[in-house]
Amino acid sequence: DAGITQSPRHKVTETGTPVTLRCHQTENHRYMYWYRQDPGHGLRLIHYSYGVKDTDKGEVSDGYSVSRSKTEDFLLTLESATSSQTSVYFCAIGSGLYGYTFGSGTRLTVV
Amino acid sequence: KNEVEQSPQNLTAQEGEFITINCSYSVGISALHWLQQHPGGGIVSLFMLSSGKKKHGRLIATINIQEKHSSLHITASHPRDSAVYICAVSKGGSEKLVFGKGTKLTVNP
Repeated sequence: DAGITQSPRHKVTETGTPVTLRCHQTENHRYMYWYRQDPGHGLRLIHYSYGVKDTDKGEVSDGYSVSRSKTEDFLLTLESATSSQTSVYFCAIGSGLYGYTFGSGTRLTVV
Repeated sequence: KNEVEQSPQNLTAQEGEFITINCSYSVGISALHWLQQHPGGGIVSLFMLSSGKKKHGRLIATINIQEKHSSLHITASHPRDSAVYICAVSKGGSEKLVFGKGTKLTVNP
């Protein structure tokens, strides 16, 4: 969707290195989310944000941190990547009232 | 037990068949969402429902709030409908989505 972009789309990194994924929106939406998608688990919430500098943990937050210094950008950082963090990561914006829009995903491989 | 359960997990159909995917949930919700994900692709929102029924082209979504159940129907299915269909709910009082594990639909020509 044109209103939300993720970068990079694909990344291969080595175990132990830090990795940052970026989510950028042009919808001026208050709420932003990071999910990971794995076979057998579906989509699981990592972290979410309800405003600039306001973030909270989701159900699988260990090993991840986030930052939101501007309304339009929500960054997800893997402090020290592990093989268990190999996954497809999706960013989303939205709310229960207006619905949700998802980014195209980032396929991350940790070797 | 998961808060959102979908059935079936996998579904194979012949082109032209009528398809139904079911979703049951166990929590209070403000809305239910049906999402579509093509192989290797992004996630697209198909419907957002809080009551009744919605239709878009060959897709129909219904929800029964009392029974905590929703169905997604595809009429005259086509191979391009092959995708994973995901049910998600917005829990009352929260903006966070809770997801089912998805139904993988394959429509053969």
